[in-house]
Amino acid sequence: DTGVSQDPRHKITKRGQNVTFRCDPISEHNRLYWYRQTLGQGPEFLTYFQNEAQLEKSRLLSDRFSAERPKGSFSTLEIQRTEQGDSAMYLCASSPHRDGPEKLFFGSGTQLSVL
Amino acid sequence: QKEVEQNSGPLSVPEGAIASLNCTYSDRVSQSFFWYRQYSGKSPELIMSIYSNGDKEDGRFTAQLNKASQYVSLLIRDSQPSDSATYLCAVTFDRGSTLGRLYFGRGTQLTVWP
Repeated sequence: DTGVSQDPRHKITKRGQNVTFRCDPISEHNRLYWYRQTLGQGPEFLTYFQNEAQLEKSRLLSDRFSAERPKGSFSTLEIQRTEQGDSAMYLCASSPHRDGPEKLFFGSGTQLSVL
Repeated sequence: QKEVEQNSGPLSVPEGAIASLNCTYSDRVSQSFFWYRQYSGKSPELIMSIYSNGDKEDGRFTAQLNKASQYVSLLIRDSQPSDSATYLCAVTFDRGSTLGRLYFGRGTQLTVWP
Protein backbone atom coordinates (compact mmCIF):
# COMPACT_ATOMS: atom_id res chain seq x y z
CA ASP A 1 0.00 0.00 0.00
CA THR A 2 1.59 3.27 -1.10
CA GLY A 3 -0.98 5.64 0.38
CA VAL A 4 -0.97 7.62 3.62
CA SER A 5 -1.38 5.28 6.57
CA GLN A 6 -2.84 6.22 9.94
CA ASP A 7 -2.99 4.22 13.13
CA PRO A 8 -5.19 3.49 14.97
CA ARG A 9 -8.38 3.81 12.93
CA HIS A 10 -10.47 4.25 16.05
CA LYS A 11 -9.60 5.31 19.58
CA ILE A 12 -11.95 5.46 22.55
CA THR A 13 -10.57 7.05 25.69
CA LYS A 14 -11.73 8.52 28.94
CA ARG A 15 -11.56 12.21 29.63
CA GLY A 16 -8.19 13.18 31.09
CA GLN A 17 -6.21 10.42 29.40
CA ASN A 18 -3.41 10.98 26.91
CA VAL A 19 -3.62 9.61 23.38
CA THR A 20 -1.12 9.37 20.54
CA PHE A 21 -1.78 8.86 16.85
CA ARG A 22 0.66 7.87 14.15
CA CYS A 23 0.83 8.83 10.49
CA ASP A 24 3.05 7.33 7.79
CA PRO A 25 3.05 9.57 4.70
CA ILE A 26 3.67 8.57 1.13
CA SER A 27 7.39 7.84 1.08
CA GLU A 28 8.56 10.52 -1.36
CA HIS A 29 6.40 13.29 0.13
CA ASN A 30 8.27 15.77 2.28
CA ARG A 31 5.27 17.71 3.54
CA LEU A 32 2.98 16.28 6.19
CA TYR A 33 -0.18 17.85 7.58
CA TRP A 34 -2.56 17.21 10.44
CA TYR A 35 -6.20 18.25 10.20
CA ARG A 36 -9.19 17.69 12.45
CA GLN A 37 -12.73 17.18 11.18
CA THR A 38 -15.99 17.06 13.10
CA LEU A 39 -19.34 15.92 11.75
CA GLY A 40 -20.80 18.33 9.22
CA GLN A 41 -17.68 20.49 9.08
CA GLY A 42 -14.73 20.71 6.74
CA PRO A 43 -11.24 19.73 7.86
CA GLU A 44 -9.61 22.24 10.21
CA PHE A 45 -5.86 22.81 9.97
CA LEU A 46 -3.78 21.85 13.00
CA THR A 47 -0.15 21.84 11.94
CA TYR A 48 2.26 20.93 9.18
CA PHE A 49 5.83 19.79 8.66
CA GLN A 50 8.31 20.08 5.88
CA ASN A 51 10.68 17.19 6.44
CA GLU A 52 11.33 17.23 10.20
CA ALA A 53 10.64 20.95 10.69
CA GLN A 54 7.27 21.99 12.08
CA LEU A 55 6.58 25.12 10.01
CA GLU A 56 3.16 26.19 11.16
CA LYS A 57 0.81 25.47 14.02
CA SER A 58 -2.77 26.67 14.26
CA ARG A 59 -3.51 29.19 16.98
CA LEU A 60 -6.59 27.11 17.68
CA LEU A 61 -4.33 24.30 18.86
CA SER A 62 -4.02 24.33 22.61
CA ASP A 63 -0.87 23.44 24.51
CA ARG A 64 -2.33 19.99 25.12
CA PHE A 65 -1.60 19.11 21.50
CA SER A 66 1.88 18.31 20.26
CA ALA A 67 3.14 16.85 17.02
CA GLU A 68 6.50 15.50 15.97
CA ARG A 69 8.08 14.21 12.82
CA PRO A 70 11.47 12.77 13.75
CA LYS A 71 13.82 12.20 10.82
CA GLY A 72 11.22 13.58 8.44
CA SER A 73 9.43 10.28 8.06
CA PHE A 74 6.40 9.27 10.13
CA SER A 75 4.64 11.72 12.43
CA THR A 76 2.88 11.45 15.77
CA LEU A 77 0.14 13.65 17.20
CA GLU A 78 -0.31 13.54 20.95
CA ILE A 79 -3.23 14.95 22.89
CA GLN A 80 -2.72 15.28 26.62
CA ARG A 81 -5.52 15.41 29.19
CA THR A 82 -8.19 14.76 26.59
CA GLU A 83 -11.52 16.58 26.76
CA GLN A 84 -14.86 15.67 25.25
CA GLY A 85 -14.45 18.51 22.78
CA ASP A 86 -11.44 16.71 21.34
CA SER A 87 -13.72 14.04 19.88
CA ALA A 88 -13.25 14.24 16.12
CA MET A 89 -11.67 12.58 13.11
CA TYR A 90 -7.95 13.36 12.97
CA LEU A 91 -6.73 13.37 9.40
CA CYS A 92 -3.15 13.19 8.25
CA ALA A 93 -2.18 14.24 4.74
CA SER A 94 1.03 14.46 2.79
CA SER A 95 2.06 16.26 -0.35
CA PRO A 96 5.04 16.30 -2.68
CA HIS A 97 6.75 19.68 -2.58
CA ARG A 98 7.23 19.77 -6.34
CA ASP A 99 3.46 19.82 -6.90
CA GLY A 100 2.93 22.68 -4.49
CA PRO A 101 1.64 22.46 -0.95
CA GLU A 102 -1.98 22.20 -1.79
CA LYS A 103 -2.28 18.83 -3.49
CA LEU A 104 -2.96 16.82 -0.37
CA PHE A 105 -3.27 13.06 -0.16
CA PHE A 106 -5.25 12.15 2.93
CA GLY A 107 -5.06 9.06 5.08
CA SER A 108 -8.17 7.28 6.32
CA GLY A 109 -8.06 9.15 9.60
CA THR A 110 -8.20 8.27 13.29
CA GLN A 111 -11.65 8.62 14.85
CA LEU A 112 -11.26 9.75 18.47
CA SER A 113 -14.08 9.43 20.97
CA VAL A 114 -13.56 10.94 24.41
CA LEU A 115 -16.04 9.65 27.00
CA GLN B 1 -10.81 36.32 9.61
CA LYS B 2 -10.26 34.01 6.68
CA GLU B 3 -13.46 32.18 5.80
CA VAL B 4 -14.66 29.81 3.14
CA GLU B 5 -18.41 29.60 2.79
CA GLN B 6 -20.45 26.87 1.16
CA ASN B 7 -24.13 26.04 1.15
CA SER B 8 -24.26 22.80 3.13
CA GLY B 9 -27.20 21.53 1.08
CA PRO B 10 -28.25 18.89 0.61
CA LEU B 11 -28.30 19.40 -3.14
CA SER B 12 -30.30 16.79 -4.97
CA VAL B 13 -30.23 16.33 -8.76
CA PRO B 14 -31.45 13.59 -11.10
CA GLU B 15 -29.01 11.37 -12.95
CA GLY B 16 -27.75 13.04 -16.11
CA ALA B 17 -28.35 16.59 -14.86
CA ILE B 18 -25.77 19.30 -14.16
CA ALA B 19 -24.91 19.77 -10.50
CA SER B 20 -23.69 23.26 -9.55
CA LEU B 21 -21.75 23.76 -6.34
CA ASN B 22 -20.76 27.19 -5.10
CA CYS B 23 -18.17 28.62 -2.75
CA THR B 24 -17.26 32.13 -1.61
CA TYR B 25 -14.18 33.21 0.27
CA SER B 26 -13.33 36.20 2.39
CA ASP B 27 -9.82 37.29 1.47
CA ARG B 28 -8.80 38.96 -1.78
CA VAL B 29 -5.22 37.69 -1.50
CA SER B 30 -6.39 34.14 -1.96
CA GLN B 31 -4.00 32.30 -4.24
CA SER B 32 -5.23 28.83 -5.04
CA PHE B 33 -8.59 27.10 -5.08
CA PHE B 34 -9.48 23.44 -4.84
CA TRP B 35 -12.40 21.08 -4.82
CA TYR B 36 -12.18 17.90 -2.77
CA ARG B 37 -14.72 15.09 -2.80
CA GLN B 38 -15.47 13.18 0.38
CA TYR B 39 -17.60 10.05 0.40
CA SER B 40 -19.37 9.21 3.62
CA GLY B 41 -16.95 7.75 6.12
CA LYS B 42 -13.96 8.32 3.84
CA SER B 43 -11.22 10.90 3.65
CA PRO B 44 -11.21 13.81 1.16
CA GLU B 45 -9.68 13.38 -2.29
CA LEU B 46 -8.65 16.16 -4.65
CA ILE B 47 -10.69 16.39 -7.85
CA MET B 48 -9.98 19.88 -9.21
CA SER B 49 -7.61 22.80 -8.74
CA ILE B 50 -7.81 26.27 -10.29
CA TYR B 51 -5.45 29.20 -9.96
CA SER B 52 -6.56 31.90 -12.41
CA ASN B 53 -9.82 33.51 -13.42
CA GLY B 54 -12.00 31.63 -15.86
CA ASP B 55 -12.98 28.04 -16.42
CA LYS B 56 -10.99 24.84 -16.12
CA GLU B 57 -12.42 21.60 -17.44
CA ASP B 58 -11.45 18.04 -16.55
CA GLY B 59 -13.75 15.37 -17.90
CA ARG B 60 -17.24 15.92 -16.51
CA PHE B 61 -15.97 18.51 -14.01
CA THR B 62 -15.59 22.25 -14.64
CA ALA B 63 -14.21 24.65 -12.07
CA GLN B 64 -14.99 28.34 -12.45
CA LEU B 65 -13.12 31.12 -10.67
CA ASN B 66 -14.01 34.82 -10.37
CA LYS B 67 -11.52 36.54 -8.09
CA ALA B 68 -13.22 39.93 -8.35
CA SER B 69 -16.39 38.41 -6.91
CA GLN B 70 -14.42 36.08 -4.61
CA TYR B 71 -16.37 33.16 -5.95
CA VAL B 72 -15.44 29.68 -7.12
CA SER B 73 -17.80 27.02 -8.38
CA LEU B 74 -17.79 23.41 -9.51
CA LEU B 75 -20.05 22.08 -12.24
CA ILE B 76 -20.58 18.35 -12.65
CA ARG B 77 -22.07 17.44 -16.01
CA ASP B 78 -23.98 14.22 -16.67
CA SER B 79 -24.22 13.58 -12.92
CA GLN B 80 -24.06 9.96 -11.84
CA PRO B 81 -25.22 8.31 -8.61
CA SER B 82 -21.54 7.63 -7.91
CA ASP B 83 -21.03 11.41 -7.67
CA SER B 84 -23.13 11.43 -4.49
CA ALA B 85 -20.74 12.76 -1.85
CA THR B 86 -19.81 15.88 0.07
CA TYR B 87 -17.84 18.40 -1.96
CA LEU B 88 -15.38 20.54 -0.05
CA CYS B 89 -14.11 23.87 -1.30
CA ALA B 90 -10.57 24.70 -0.13
CA VAL B 91 -8.54 27.88 -0.47
CA THR B 92 -5.03 29.02 0.31
CA PHE B 93 -4.87 32.57 1.63
CA ASP B 94 -1.12 32.85 2.04
CA ARG B 95 1.10 34.53 -0.47
CA GLY B 96 3.77 32.43 -2.09
CA SER B 97 4.17 28.70 -1.92
CA THR B 98 6.10 28.36 1.31
CA LEU B 99 3.09 28.01 3.53
CA GLY B 100 0.78 25.10 3.06
CA ARG B 101 -2.34 25.79 5.05
CA LEU B 102 -5.57 24.98 3.25
CA TYR B 103 -8.80 26.50 4.55
CA PHE B 104 -11.82 24.29 3.94
CA GLY B 105 -15.49 25.14 3.73
CA ARG B 106 -17.97 22.93 5.55
CA GLY B 107 -18.88 21.14 2.34
CA THR B 108 -21.99 20.69 0.21
CA GLN B 109 -23.70 17.33 0.30
CA LEU B 110 -24.72 16.21 -3.20
CA THR B 111 -27.18 13.41 -3.91
CA VAL B 112 -27.71 12.17 -7.46
CA TRP B 113 -30.81 10.05 -7.74
CA PRO B 114 -31.36 7.50 -10.54
